[in-house]
Amino acid sequence: QLQLQESGPGLVKPSETLSLTCTFSGASISRTSFYWGWIRQPPGKGLEWIGSIYYSGNTYYNPSLKSRVTISVDMSKNQFSLNLSSVTAADTAVYYCARPRGGSIFDYWGQGTLVTVSS
Amino acid sequence: DIQMTQSPSTLSASVGDRVTITCRASQSISSWLAWYQQKPGKAPKVLIYKASSLESGVPSRFSGSGSGTEFTLTISSLQPDDSATYYCQQYNSYSWTFGQGTKVEIK
Repeated sequence: QLQLQESGPGLVKPSETLSLTCTFSGASISRTSFYWGWIRQPPGKGLEWIGSIYYSGNTYYNPSLKSRVTISVDMSKNQFSLNLSSVTAADTAVYYCARPRGGSIFDYWGQGTLVTVSS
Repeated sequence: DIQMTQSPSTLSASVGDRVTITCRASQSISSWLAWYQQKPGKAPKVLIYKASSLESGVPSRFSGSGSGTEFTLTISSLQPDDSATYYCQQYNSYSWTFGQGTKVEIK
C-alpha cells in the first residue's frame, strides 16, 4: 500500500515562497508509480491541480500557476517537492500530494496540509 | 485549457433514490474522465476512471457513462454514507482539470 505524507511550514508570509515536500513509502515503486502530483483546495472550495512530475524530471504545470510553480523529484529519497513563489492570501489552501496512476487518475493521496498565507 | 462544468452544484435526495450528476468538458476528452468522492476533512477517493470503469473496492451502486464532452455519474440507490462532495476530473495530454464539485445531501 503506497503512502504519501506532506510536510512543510503551515504559515507563509505574503510575497514569499511556499515550499512543501511529499515523502512516499510502502509498496514497491513500479513504473506506474513514476508520476507524482500536487493538488490544492482553498477552504470551502473545490480542487485545483497544481502540477505533476515524471520520475525523469519532466514537469507539467497548471497554466494559471505555471509562472510561479516549480516541482522537483528525488527518487533516491522517495520525495518530491513543490515551490510556489510570490504567494498571496489566495494561495491559502490545503495542499495534497498524490500519485497519478500511470499519468492518469489520482489513486493515492496524502492526508493534506493546510498552508495559510498571512503576515 | 480544458474546462470542466458540473451540474447541479448541490442536490438533496432520499435514501434509496437514484441520483445523477453531470459533467461537461469544454472540448472532447474521449473517455479520459474520472469521478471522485470527498468527505469533509478527507482527501478525495477515486470512484470511476476512464469514464465508466469502477475502481477496485468501490460499491457497484456507483456507475459512470459518457464520452467526448458529456459524462454522468449515477448512484443507483443512495445510501447515508454517500453524503459527500463529488468531483469529475479530466486527464488528457498531461493536463488535469477538476470540475467545481457537486454536494450531495441526504434528506
